[in-house]
Amino acid sequence: QVQLTQSGPEVREAGASVQVSCKASGYTFTDYSINWVRQAPGQRLEWVAWISTATKHTEIDQRFHDRITLSKDTSTGTAYMEVKNLRSDDTAVYYCARVGSTGTSSNWGQGTLVTVSS
Amino acid sequence: DIALTQSPATLSVSPGERVTLSCRASQTVAGNLAWYQQRPGQAPRLLIYETSTRATGVPARFSGSGSETEFVLTISSLQSEDVAVYYCQGYGEWPLWTFGQGTKVQIK
Repeated sequence: QVQLTQSGPEVREAGASVQVSCKASGYTFTDYSINWVRQAPGQRLEWVAWISTATKHTEIDQRFHDRITLSKDTSTGTAYMEVKNLRSDDTAVYYCARVGSTGTSSNWGQGTLVTVSS
Repeated sequence: DIALTQSPATLSVSPGERVTLSCRASQTVAGNLAWYQQRPGQAPRLLIYETSTRATGVPARFSGSGSETEFVLTISSLQSEDVAVYYCQGYGEWPLWTFGQGTKVQIK
């Protein structure tokens, strides 16, 4: 079955960087792109970025474009998101989600809690 | 960018009652509107996509309707396991996703 397995929780100080991974299984990795979504404590879901798993293309929300880097390893079926220069308001659960043919997603990772201390 | 506004913020309903959740878009999303259920500590679960199509495995008591800028999620008979926050999602501006602020459904 389709699964997205994310890396474990992280704690960082403000100004540091963190990388979250999202390993896909149960399907051909390059057939579906990946969206990254985050959710601050008690807040709504918010779209962060998108990566094509078949081409070099990425899209990053303009609020984060200078602090987020997306990458992938097609040999292992893993997508990565690095967030640099962390701030306290980056504290959130970060999710990866497989973008289905309809444009939305029925397959999400379990989430990775990133805690930023000031 | 499209903004999605959900109402009400919180709903307290008795088991077996009908539940109606609303989502209003700042501009048309055509039919590219989905609904997610999120239980505490869990990832979102897709319930409805393309306004009214139930995702695989979703019980028939969940239904979606609407068009353009006004959308509704209906739970025909609330069960205890339906206690969750429900989010609407617009996905017409590929690959950007926009979410509403959520409606929390509680048991009265």
